[in-house]
Amino acid sequence: NAGVMQNPRHLVRRRGQEARLRCSPMKGHSHVYWYRQLPEEGLKFMVYLQKENIIDESGMPKERFSAEFPKEGPSILRIQQVVRGDSAAYFCASSPSGTGGVEQYFGPGTRLTVT
Amino acid sequence: GESVGLHLPTLSVQEGDNSIINCAYSNSASDYFIWYKQESGKGPQFIIDIRSNMDKRQGQRVTVLLNKTVKHLSLQIAATQPGDSAVYFCAENIDRTGNNRKLIWGLGTSLAVNP
Repeated sequence: NAGVMQNPRHLVRRRGQEARLRCSPMKGHSHVYWYRQLPEEGLKFMVYLQKENIIDESGMPKERFSAEFPKEGPSILRIQQVVRGDSAAYFCASSPSGTGGVEQYFGPGTRLTVT
Repeated sequence: GESVGLHLPTLSVQEGDNSIINCAYSNSASDYFIWYKQESGKGPQFIIDIRSNMDKRQGQRVTVLLNKTVKHLSLQIAATQPGDSAVYFCAENIDRTGNNRKLIWGLGTSLAVNP
């Protein structure tokens, strides 16, 4: 039962380095979402992608953050020149194709720590 | 509405009792609502969903009630078990066209089940 997969599960980066977070959606899912979660808080939407397209990036910081979902391979959330405030859990979710239910299935998350 | 960094509300119940978790959503145009459960260190897990043309939906041990007049959603868990201890989030989708499946998340409620 291959659910949404994320790697790495834990990532430590020093200030100024780059962080790359990967997400493989469930089989047959072509919609991917990225969320950020700080301790004791809810999820904050970042970006919604379909294959090779960014549908909604209204939650992405204007600088240093980018996301892609190529035709082949996983979706990537990239954070350049990380700062301590980027430390958080980053969750990826996917949903099925078509106009059916919009329920999203989540991966286990990547916990980013910036030292 | 979105989390604003406050401490999560907490609900404490005895094992075997029924639990009711409440959520006030933000947009009267929202068309679809979901409840998620998040255990410590894990990604959110889908529990149950409901569309705006319904006011009640039942699952296994869970019931979701929707009151559109006051923009209120509740999750009822019957015979609460220790394994139900988690943070529960409601989420809403406002795009009736189905083109944007972005979910807006509530603050979350921490449920603690006492044995």
